[in-house]
Amino acid sequence: QKEVEQNSGPLSVPEGAIASLNCTYSDRGSQSFFWYRQYSGKSPELIMSIYSNGDKEDGRFTAQLNKASQYVSLLIRDSQPSDSATYLCAVNFGNEKLTFGTGTRLTIIP
Amino acid sequence: DAGVTQSPTHLIKTRGQQVTLRCSPKSGHDTVSWYQQALGQGPQFIFQYYEEEERQRGNFPDRFSGHQFPNYSSELNVNALLLGDSALYLCASSPSLGAEQYFGPGTRLTVT
Repeated sequence: QKEVEQNSGPLSVPEGAIASLNCTYSDRGSQSFFWYRQYSGKSPELIMSIYSNGDKEDGRFTAQLNKASQYVSLLIRDSQPSDSATYLCAVNFGNEKLTFGTGTRLTIIP
Repeated sequence: DAGVTQSPTHLIKTRGQQVTLRCSPKSGHDTVSWYQQALGQGPQFIFQYYEEEERQRGNFPDRFSGHQFPNYSSELNVNALLLGDSALYLCASSPSLGAEQYFGPGTRLTVT
């Protein structure tokens, strides 16, 4: 059974600080990793994708991948109240479908 | 450039009825996947369509079926609705198999 694990939170971070979200997955052969943001009552929005070990930066967001440790993370710098949402980690285990974690609820405190 | 669209937005059905949900992919995308998201959970994969064929299927019963049309739009059909089928149904499209998936706004289905 291929699984994706996330801490459900809630994770509370002061405005302006760095929010760190973590995800582990069960299959070392996985190739593609994604972070989605989901506001309450809305659908998931793709914010980052990462395919190789290391860091990938896009604006205030940095995705980090360590395939040996089966670990992917998302850092949000200069956190804003608008970043308050549930963040979903998704993995393509090589079978062309996405397997999601249960999501981490992030709250940015003004 | 229109994103992924889904209809209807909300739907209320009675147990035992049948429902059809519709999805139009983002322009340039030919692959459509359907997911079910229960409250407080991550989306669960139902199935994926490419070239009008079901390519992958998740752990859902045969009551869940689908179709993809030549214009790449897709339908999800659920027969003999159960109370447990109440969820947000999400359609995602991608430009090719295995590529990034972009979600539509979803259809909120309530079964009473």
